[in-house]
Parts: sequence; structure tokens; C-alpha cells
Amino acid sequence: KAGVTQTPRYLIKTRGQQVTLSCSPISGHRSVSWYQQTPGQGLQFLFEYFSETQRNKGNFPGRFSGRQFSNSRSEMNVSTLELGDSALYLCASSSQAGTGTYEQYFGPGTRLTVT
Amino acid sequence: SQQGEEDPQALSIQEGENATMNCSYKTSINNLQWYRQNSGRGLVHLILIRSNEREKHSGRLRVTLDTSKKSSSLLITASRAADTASYFCATDARNYGQNFVFGPGTRLSVLP
Repeated sequence: KAGVTQTPRYLIKTRGQQVTLSCSPISGHRSVSWYQQTPGQGLQFLFEYFSETQRNKGNFPGRFSGRQFSNSRSEMNVSTLELGDSALYLCASSSQAGTGTYEQYFGPGTRLTVT
Repeated sequence: SQQGEEDPQALSIQEGENATMNCSYKTSINNLQWYRQNSGRGLVHLILIRSNEREKHSGRLRVTLDTSKKSSSLLITASRAADTASYFCATDARNYGQNFVFGPGTRLSVLP
């Protein structure tokens, strides 16, 4: 099976702009989660989608949003970019969501730099 | 405050030696997972241990879980230069109203 893919891999944006990142989960996986990784804050959970519904949301401002399509592909959007949004954005897919024991499979990430 | 905390923050050992990393957490959990990340790339899942398990092995990896102390350890035996990476513990506490929460990680350097 192909792994989790994320596009683009690298992105440079200017403050105030918006950005959309894309994630394609492993075939058959219906859950997609997004994480932000920065040197200062580490890995932080953004949100989780399952069957096109947001199941969980982390403690991020409303500028961060996401959605999931019927084919389980997911996008996340960040509006009005700030310098502090520079980070590695990781997407993870799994076969299930909610409670239960299962593994997450991560994509290579999108490196976003805001100047 | 962060759920998972790894200790040490950085570890440097010689090839062939064993490496031990510890993780502490604060709330009840459903399971705890360890991941590896190579230099700013995606995370690779290493091992999952359920809250009712005490020890688990996978190849050169051994994970222990002590729910009474809210702590876990990852042991890598006979380390190799290719084991050089950052290691993160992640607590899955979704049964308890939390999400997946990652610790800050341990940076392991294995010197040839």
C-alpha cells in the first residue's frame, strides 16, 4: 500500500496570506489527523477528521481549519498567516477514529515558512 | 501542561550500547505509543503498548509501561548509527477526553 502523502512538501508564504495543505491517507483509512511541529512547542494536535466530520479539535485559533472529502483526502487551511505559523505540518491517517487502540501512520510533512 | 514528558532530552551513545528513554504522563490513558523521527521528516510508528500491558518487545525494542507511576520506557538494544533520530512518546487518552498528546522527544545520537 502507498503511504500517506502530503503536498506540497515545502512552501514559503508571506505574512497575511493564506495557505492550503493537502493530505492523502493510506488507501482504506478513513481517519486523518493533523499536527503542527515547531522547535518551541513540539508536536501539537490540530484536528481529526473521520468520514468527512471533524471528530476532535486541538487548542488552535480559528485561523486554522480543515476539511475531509468523501475519498478521505483532507485539506487544512491557515488564513492570515503569522510568522509563528512557520512549522512542519504533519498529517496522519488511521483506519479508525474515536476511542479504541490503533496506530497512526504519518506522512512526510509540509514545511511551511512564513516570511 | 504537556501530557507526555521525555527524559533525557538528548542522549549520545556508542554503537553497540543500549539506549533507554523515559516518558512520563499525567492522565489516565488508553494506550501509549512510541515514534521515531529522522531529522524533520515524518514520524514512524515503533510500538504500541496498551494500558493493561506491562511490557512489549519488537525486535531490538523493549517498551515498559507502569500505569501506577504514569511512566513508560523505551529500550533500544545493540544500537546502530541508523538509530540516530528523535524519539517521541504519544499518549492516547481519547477514552478520557484527551487527544493524542506527544512529548517533547529525546534526541538520540549513536556514534560509530
